[in-house]
Amino acid sequence: DVKVTQSSRYLVKRTGEKVFLECVQDMDHENMFWYRQDPGLGLRLIYFSYDVKMKEKGDIPEGYSVSREKKERFSLILESASTNQTSMYLCASSFSGARTEAFFGQGTRLTVV
Amino acid sequence: GQSLEQPSEVTAVEGAIVQINCTYQTSGFYGLSWYQQHDGGAPTFLSYNALDGLEETGRFSSFLSRSDSYGYLLLQELQMKDSASYFCAVRTGNTPLVFGKGTRLSVIA
Repeated sequence: DVKVTQSSRYLVKRTGEKVFLECVQDMDHENMFWYRQDPGLGLRLIYFSYDVKMKEKGDIPEGYSVSREKKERFSLILESASTNQTSMYLCASSFSGARTEAFFGQGTRLTVV
Repeated sequence: GQSLEQPSEVTAVEGAIVQINCTYQTSGFYGLSWYQQHDGGAPTFLSYNALDGLEETGRFSSFLSRSDSYGYLLLQELQMKDSASYFCAVRTGNTPLVFGKGTRLSVIA
């Protein structure tokens, strides 16, 4: 079975802290994504990566950065956490190509206080 | 840009059939996907339509009309465990999935 693992299920951080969310997939997928999910807003794309050391901005990249040093790992970084970044963060991965089945991690519920 | 519209909530009776619609505006359309997400869980893939017509997978079917920029997910013989949020998603060219805001389905006895 494909497995996408996010390092933390729940996190509580203070305003201004630098926060790292880690995601690892074990299926040799080329593509990896970070989404943010808020009630009534669906899943919004923050950043994505099609290859190692490659990154592209999604719809809401402000306040975030990413790192992909290895194919299986994609990290989301909140440079200086703010309360409006309190949210559920979902990592996903997929093969490249037209068929777009994405596999999601269980999510990290981040609370910034 | 891309946009997807789907109803925010749908309620249906156990054993019945329910249809969740999705309309989209996009360019370079590749296909329409559907995902299911239970409360507290991760979204999981249900179906993908690249061509017009109906795709059936057990109790779930998905339909696409490219000319109308429209698709739907059809759930038959509804069960209580089908209560979840359902998201349509599109991919255009070499871009990642763009999701709709989701439809919360409540199945009642």
